[in-house]
Amino acid sequence: EAQVTQNPRYLITVTGKKLTVTCSQNMNHEYMSWYRQDPGLGLRQIYYSMNVEVTDKGDVPEGYKVSRKEKRNFPLILESPSPNQTSLYFCASSRASGIGYEQYFGPGTRLTVT
Amino acid sequence: RKEVEQDPGPFNVPEGATVAFNCTYSNSASQSFFWYRQDCRKEPKLLMSVYSSGNEDGRFTAQLNRASQYISLLIRDSKLSDSATYLCVVGNTGFQKLVFGTGTRLLVSP
Repeated sequence: EAQVTQNPRYLITVTGKKLTVTCSQNMNHEYMSWYRQDPGLGLRQIYYSMNVEVTDKGDVPEGYKVSRKEKRNFPLILESPSPNQTSLYFCASSRASGIGYEQYFGPGTRLTVT
Repeated sequence: RKEVEQDPGPFNVPEGATVAFNCTYSNSASQSFFWYRQDCRKEPKLLMSVYSSGNEDGRFTAQLNRASQYISLLIRDSKLSDSATYLCVVGNTGFQKLVFGTGTRLLVSP
């Protein structure tokens, strides 16, 4: 089954404790991205990757890091989480250049930082 | 001004009604247009792409007006299962960026 998986699905953590949210896709997609969704603000792009070893900032990259060492994986790293990073996070993947094609989203990770 | 603007709703309609949503975008260089559907706190899923000539998929019709920079979605014969939030999404290939509207919530009642 073609899918994007994210782990964990739910996470409660404390300020400053480093965490990683994993994202994996099995569709051989080149393009992957991370979004956060907050009430009244919609989905905002954090980082995206056009292919292995190619990453770039989205609209709200501050406080986040990513890496793309393998085509299927695109982890999101919060080195020192803060309460304003409490949000619902989605990973997505797409064919080729990405934005002209359907985005396949993972199920989401609900993060709470206290 | 937001890059993509939608009326948040909610739109409350009875089953069988026809309902229309509009979305405006500010970047005239935008080149790809979509409607996504999102059920409560779940992942967005593509409903349909929007083409310049307009397109239809069953009960759903999407239109694009580049001159006025707006996109519309028409749902005919609404079903209870259509209750969801509809996200307008605009892409700019130059910047490899997708911009999501905040969504329009639809509630279809019996």
